[in-house]
Amino acid sequence: GAGVSQSPSNKVTEKGKDVELRCDPISGHTALYWYRQSLGQGLEFLIYFQGNSAPDKSGLPSDRFSAERTGGSVSTLTIQRTQQEDSAVYLCASSRLKNSGNTIYFGEGSWLTVV
Amino acid sequence: DAKTTQPTSMDCAEGRAANLPCNHSTISGNEYVYWYRQIHSQGPQYIIHGLKNNETNEMASLIITEDRKSSTLILPHATLRDTAVYYCIVRGVNDMRFGAGTRLTVKP
Repeated sequence: GAGVSQSPSNKVTEKGKDVELRCDPISGHTALYWYRQSLGQGLEFLIYFQGNSAPDKSGLPSDRFSAERTGGSVSTLTIQRTQQEDSAVYLCASSRLKNSGNTIYFGEGSWLTVV
Repeated sequence: DAKTTQPTSMDCAEGRAANLPCNHSTISGNEYVYWYRQIHSQGPQYIIHGLKNNETNEMASLIITEDRKSSTLILPHATLRDTAVYYCIVRGVNDMRFGAGTRLTVKP
């Protein structure tokens, strides 16, 4: 079936503007994750959703970052008042269940450039 | 914090086996070992995972020591397209934290 789908694939925005990044997880996957990867750096965990449970927001770098997941499927990551240091690729991933034996699959990411 | 330790980089000759080590001495009984790789800044690609038994699939083999404190990912016949950063991850119940990984360079 289809993999994790992310949009837009590329986004250039002006400093101070808000951006929304969308993630469509694999159908039937209840767990959804957002990561960020700056150029040449490793993956940084941002937020995690599991079913109807409260999300784990422990990785969000500031209150300018927020995410929601509507209907237990599609998720939107919102960055308000973007800064140049927000430039990165934002990766979404999903797994069928949150249990550790369930493989997490990644999308191809949304490249964000703040100018 | 990542719970794994990997060498920063490794080289391998094309056609030879690539053996990538990983230490995870604090792994808990219900935590799995996962391996992913990332080529440039594409989304990480799942390779293989295991709990305590050795595993093999079409991409690689995973050898986990009996005490589960370390593991080795084996690419049996490395090709130039296997050049990537390889991440060894100990996955708990919730999220999955990535370390710096091993940059594998396959050379002709």
